[in-house]
Amino acid sequence: GAGVSQSPSNKVTEKGKDVELRCDPISGHTALYWYRQRLGQGLEFLIYFQGNSAPDKSGLPSDRFSAERTGESVSTLTIQRTQQEDSAVYLCASSSASDSQPQHFGDGTRLSIL
Amino acid sequence: EDQVTQSPEALRLQEGESSSLNCSYTVSGLRGLFWYRQDPGKGPEFLFTLYSAGEEKEKERLKATLTKKESFLHITAPKPEDSATYLCAVYSNTGKLIFGQGTTLQVKP
Repeated sequence: GAGVSQSPSNKVTEKGKDVELRCDPISGHTALYWYRQRLGQGLEFLIYFQGNSAPDKSGLPSDRFSAERTGESVSTLTIQRTQQEDSAVYLCASSSASDSQPQHFGDGTRLSIL
Repeated sequence: EDQVTQSPEALRLQEGESSSLNCSYTVSGLRGLFWYRQDPGKGPEFLFTLYSAGEEKEKERLKATLTKKESFLHITAPKPEDSATYLCAVYSNTGKLIFGQGTTLQVKP
């Protein structure tokens, strides 16, 4: 079956612009996660969706970041008024449940802010 | 505070030279430890899950082990295609997956 799909794979934009990143999880996976990976660094948790529960937004670095998910399908991560420090790879992962199951990752969106 | 530390940061091996990667963790109630492999420009690829001390998992040339404080990823007779960054992550009672910084492995022919 298909894995986690993210689009676009690369995005270059000017400082101050808004960007929207998309994630299609593995079909049937109820949990969906967003991470940020800066160059040479580990994965930084951003936000987590589980079914119809309220999302865990505790990792979002500022109010410029927001994410939505419709049911158990596609999610979008939006960054408003982008800054140069937002440059990173944004990774999406999904899992069959939230409790101790492995997360499966997409190949990420590489975001570059000029 | 939950913390995961991987060592070494980088490791260079000759083909066939076995070695081990270390993942030390401090978490409030371990609910699972995961190993991933990440190739340049790709997302992490799931390798193993370990749930309790003493547990071991194997896949080809890789073997993961777990104690109460750390996990090891043993690589036996590595090949150049094993070159990648290996990530360790733990699930704690906070419900979040905490990642280490990774070990970048280079295997030379």
